[in-house]
Amino acid sequence: GAVVSQHPSWVICKSGTSVKIECRSLDFQATTMFWYRQFPKQSLMLMATSNEGSKATYEQGVEKDKFLINHASLTLSTLTVTSAHPEDSSFYICSAGPGGDNYGYTFGSGTRLTVV
Amino acid sequence: AQKVTQAQTEISVVEKEDVTLDCVYETRDTTYYLFWYKQPPSGELVFLIRRNSFDEQNEISGRYSWNFQKSTSSFNFTITASQVVDSAVYFCALSDRNSGNTPLVFGKGTRLSVIA
Repeated sequence: GAVVSQHPSWVICKSGTSVKIECRSLDFQATTMFWYRQFPKQSLMLMATSNEGSKATYEQGVEKDKFLINHASLTLSTLTVTSAHPEDSSFYICSAGPGGDNYGYTFGSGTRLTVV
Repeated sequence: AQKVTQAQTEISVVEKEDVTLDCVYETRDTTYYLFWYKQPPSGELVFLIRRNSFDEQNEISGRYSWNFQKSTSSFNFTITASQVVDSAVYFCALSDRNSGNTPLVFGKGTRLSVIA
């Protein structure tokens, strides 16, 4: 149980285009999901908290107009990187979790974005 | 503010050696949760363990063991008889809840290389 599916696994896009990444909770409902970014050989940094039915909460320094988050249902959150630039190339990973005694936080498999 | 420190950036061991990965945390909360995750080269995060602040019992799972000491704010991870498949980046993380609605604070990770 507590499976989070993330798509696509990898994407290459041209500079200036937009890319959408999906994060789905498959067997539980998630009112909250988190989006992290990981640069090569670095740790995971929280970008934003996605809240179902309301606006996302962004961490300091993360441009909300560039990283659009939509959490339209209890099982789906999307992250859209708008007008992507090479410096946006990174590994993006989402997480959610039903909590409780039997689970840690479950992470998606991640999306490796390369902007050329 | 919460903080997780993994002082060892990279560790290299020969197969069958034991290795301990250090984790030191900072929090003002009396209730908190500590986690370890494994990130193999493919990128996904694999949940290894969750420990709450009221449970200081050490835990053993196969070749893995964890030593939680509140007195030193440490939650160290030992792999016994390491294998090549253990090569990965290991992250220690902290949260003030286990609800799935609060994000994890990650350490910078320790890259473990096990050489055959």
